[in-house]
Amino acid sequence: ETGVTQTPRHLVMGMTNKKSLKCEQHLGHNAMYWYKQSAKKPLELMFVYSLEERVENNSVPSRFSPECPNSSHLFLHLHTLQPEDSALYLCASSQDYNNEQFFGPGTRLTVL
Amino acid sequence: EDQVTQSPEALRLQEGESSSLNCSYTVSGLRGLFWYRQDPGKGPEFLFTLYSAGEEKEKERLKATLTKKESFLHITAPKPEDSATYLCAVQARGGSQGNLIFGKGTKLSVKP
Repeated sequence: ETGVTQTPRHLVMGMTNKKSLKCEQHLGHNAMYWYKQSAKKPLELMFVYSLEERVENNSVPSRFSPECPNSSHLFLHLHTLQPEDSALYLCASSQDYNNEQFFGPGTRLTVL
Repeated sequence: EDQVTQSPEALRLQEGESSSLNCSYTVSGLRGLFWYRQDPGKGPEFLFTLYSAGEEKEKERLKATLTKKESFLHITAPKPEDSATYLCAVQARGGSQGNLIFGKGTKLSVKP
């Protein structure tokens, strides 16, 4: 595997389900990010981790819970989501905060 | 408030017809400006980083330029495979760590 990988690529869940999105980066980077991409809207930064420590949380609802067990892996735990949470969720990584970010392919999430 | 505006929203070109995409930005001190390409159903692919006014970067048929208020992505003699959405993002000095502010993108279609 190379670059940034994400699983699953597609996810359909009910409002009462609990699921997790997984991201892995194979670039030796120190920072990892979660973004949300909705139709007709710019990418929205959700969370930033640096060396496994969360450094930014852009006012994201608590139904989204990130976890970064090590510098290569990032999870987004989902519970009691709303239909408006349906979107493409993108993971990215960078060498540090000031470098270009490299994105994974995303997880297309549909909340019924 | 830091802001990024891209124009046009959509651009249709004939193969070989050169054109430019615009990214206007307002930030309290620019740390860097980034261009990405995004194909449908995929994550953004990094193209260029520009740091200071007057800087230019080139890659194949693409050339990115930067002034104090805007950036242009020039596409010379485009091919159908250049069809994608092109995203611009800025990072502000003193802004939240790792926080890229994205525009909504320009959707480029190149017809043979």
